[in-house]
Amino acid sequence: KQEVTQIPAALSVPEGENLVLNCSFTDSAIYNLQWFRQDPGKGLTSLLLIQSSQREQTSGRLNASLDKSSGRSTLYIAASQPGDSATYLCAVPSGGSYIPTFGRGTSLIVHP
Amino acid sequence: NAGVTQTPKFRILKIGQSMTLQCTQDMNHNYMYWYRQDPGMGLKLIYYSVGAGITDKGEVPNGYNVSRSTTEDFPLRLELAAPSQTSVYFCASSNESPRETQYFGPGTRLLVL
Repeated sequence: KQEVTQIPAALSVPEGENLVLNCSFTDSAIYNLQWFRQDPGKGLTSLLLIQSSQREQTSGRLNASLDKSSGRSTLYIAASQPGDSATYLCAVPSGGSYIPTFGRGTSLIVHP
Repeated sequence: NAGVTQTPKFRILKIGQSMTLQCTQDMNHNYMYWYRQDPGMGLKLIYYSVGAGITDKGEVPNGYNVSRSTTEDFPLRLELAAPSQTSVYFCASSNESPRETQYFGPGTRLLVL
């Protein structure tokens, strides 16, 4: 069974800082890894999807990396802004499946 | 293109009542999912479907039922509501491909009193 852990659980930073959010998983036989954003009271929005053959993906100020052998992924947020405040969730399928298991998320607050 | 839609947005149930949470997607996705999210917790998979007529249990299926008669619709049924089912319920869909992400609905907030 896939287990997904996200560290830290919560993070509060001043605007402009560069951030690293961590995700670790136990079963490395995966098809992909996804990072989602969830705003309070809202659904999840996909940020980045990394296929198992890729090492990283970038979208604007976001960069996600994947190290399958060590069971780790990081989400790097450059020059953080108050609008980045949200919960960030990592989702990883179990081996041989497309069904993702979610971590509990990192709650991020970026204050002006 | 509406994506994944869910109804209702919010509902209060009394213990023992029944209800159906509706989920519809217009992207012709094969896979559909129901999750529940409790405060401070990640999403837990209740049921999923890999195509019309095929459903399977997830991590927390007790107290729920699903059906998938069409590609578009995946309703979730609560037969005898209990306070432990107070949660936010999310429906999602995806295709069977490592290149494609999941798309989520806006959620249904359920309170059982």
